[in-house]
Parts: sequence; C-alpha cells; structure tokens
Amino acid sequence: QKEVEQDPGPLSVPEGAIVSLNCTYSNSAFQYFMWYRQYSRKGPELLMYTYSSGNKEDGRFTAQVDKSSKYISLFIRDSQPSDSATYLCAGGETSYDKVIFGPGTSLSVIP
Amino acid sequence: DGGITQSPKYLFRKEGQNVTLSCEQNLNHDAMYWYRQDPGQGLRLIYYSQIVNDFQKGDIAEGYSVSREKKESFPLTVTSAQKNPTAFYLCASSIMYRHNEQFFGPGTRLTVL
Repeated sequence: QKEVEQDPGPLSVPEGAIVSLNCTYSNSAFQYFMWYRQYSRKGPELLMYTYSSGNKEDGRFTAQVDKSSKYISLFIRDSQPSDSATYLCAGGETSYDKVIFGPGTSLSVIP
Repeated sequence: DGGITQSPKYLFRKEGQNVTLSCEQNLNHDAMYWYRQDPGQGLRLIYYSQIVNDFQKGDIAEGYSVSREKKESFPLTVTSAQKNPTAFYLCASSIMYRHNEQFFGPGTRLTVL
C-alpha cells in the first residue's frame, strides 16, 4: 500500500463548479498535510498546508484534514480554467521529516 | 526575483553517459532537495541536504550523486549506473527543518536515447 494515494483522474468540471479533490494516507503519525498545484511541464507550487486535523481556507481554496479516517480534501470554489492542473497532496510526520507525495489528480476546468 | 532555477529544461543523454543537472536558488534557504517524477507516481526523494558539505540519501539514491559546496547550489549527477534515468527531475529548497514548505524549481526533463 502506498503511503499517500490519490485518484489520478482526469477530473473534468465546468467553469464555476465546486471541485473536491481527495487523498488518503496510511501513516497515522502524519501531522502536516500539504497541497501542491502543478501545471503541465512545470514544478509544483505550494498551495496550502495544514497542521493536524481541521479546515484551512485561503480564498477559493479550502483544505480539510480528517485524521480519524486518514482523509485529506481540497475544495475549490468557483473553479476557473486557470485551475486546470495536477494537484498533489502530501504528508509528513514533523516539519523536519521527509514529505511523502501522492501521485496527483489531474483537473480540467472547461470554460 | 527570488527563486529556484534549473538547467537545462530538456536534456538528452546516450546510454552509458553521466550527466549533471543544475539547481541554483537565491532564496537563502539552507535545505535543498532532489526529486524524480514519473507518470502515475508521486515525487520520490533522491537526495537532500540541510547544510553545505552535508547531504543524505533519499529513497532512490542508487545511480545518482550530489554535491553541496555552496549554499545556493545543489547539482545532481545521473550516472550510467542508474538503470532507468528517463524522468522529470525537480529540485526544491526550504528553510532548515521546514520540509513541509518546499519551493520547487521548474524541472529538467531527462531523456535517455
């Protein structure tokens, strides 16, 4: 079993839709959870990170962590064509431990 | 502008040749990392370095080597011992002990012919 798993997609939604991207992880010691956005043929960029359980909101993006079920979600409200990218989730035990990345979910927002 | 640069963007290599990928950062970050990205797989850690003149193997270090002679630079050499080197290579950096906030470069696509 991989430590961090994601449905690879592709996920295709109409512009303006609410997008839900999900990850599961197996390491119960994870406390840090990150979402990266990666445009085609580019390096990933850190979108959000959260510590432990709960929600974190930043503009149109909300990250949610449920440690009891080892489930991580990223919600995108009012999705835009510019949101079309691959979204990588990641986890780590502490801020100085290595980060484990999921394989990414490809999202396409259709105008 | 602060950031991470990687060069070249595309690299072609014949089998049996060593090749070095460049990574430079001007973010004044102490830690630097090299990852490999293959389709359908998460980023896999090759090597990382927390300070100058020190580095540690990641999960897939075999067939790779690195050096960290300057804080700003962390070149990766893909040796002929790496059995399947064709991949997208990503360099990242972070403040020391803040692995959860890594900044990535644009990547180098290596193709072995």
